[in-house]
Amino acid sequence: QSALTQPASVSGSPGQSITISCTGTSSDVGGSNYVSWYQQHPVKAPKLMIYEVSNRPSGVSNRFSGSKSASTAYLTISGLQAEDEADYYCSSYTNSGTFWVFGGGTRLTVL
Amino acid sequence: EVQLVESGGGLVQPGGSLRLSCAGSGFTFSNYWMSWVRQAPGKGLQWVANIRQDGSEKYYVDSVKGRFTISRDNAKNSLYLQMNSLRAEDAALYYCARSRGGNPFGAFDIWGQGTMVTVSS
Repeated sequence: QSALTQPASVSGSPGQSITISCTGTSSDVGGSNYVSWYQQHPVKAPKLMIYEVSNRPSGVSNRFSGSKSASTAYLTISGLQAEDEADYYCSSYTNSGTFWVFGGGTRLTVL
Repeated sequence: EVQLVESGGGLVQPGGSLRLSCAGSGFTFSNYWMSWVRQAPGKGLQWVANIRQDGSEKYYVDSVKGRFTISRDNAKNSLYLQMNSLRAEDAALYYCARSRGGNPFGAFDIWGQGTMVTVSS
């Protein structure tokens, strides 16, 4: 069982927007601004999409955005494209002794 | 090109040992905290361990404490993971990853391609 809770799957049609949630506790997401999101295509290494809740690394499309409310973080992808189909993982610093925790991952299907 | 390349994975019997390596290039390796992150087949990501730039601080996930040791050699731009007393549940693709910004709370902005560890008799 993962420390952070994500929906197993989400789907959307091209051009639509989707949001993936990531729920933790006051020890991690709720108490930290070090929340990040990763995209992983099959048999590829993860790619950083969002860091520190809402910041995009250089080169990441502005269709990707992040936010947080209390102990839940969100990744929103607008204007869905076929290449967005992938697994998405959230991660957070935790003060519970483990340092970093991940969510179980969400598979995004573009219909 | 900034990159990380892992090596050292393979098949090992339960209770055995393995040493993973990760070579960094295209950036000043000694400026960054580094981590190992693993992914069991068909499963999600799990952070395993990280190490400070000078090696003076190291942290581990509870399930590997006392069995795994993370280390680095900045002169060789290399990160290592010594894995002892391996268990079936340690079988995974092991990635090395760089924490952005030179601080321990930096997200993982550079990842290697991974090296596979299989634990089986």
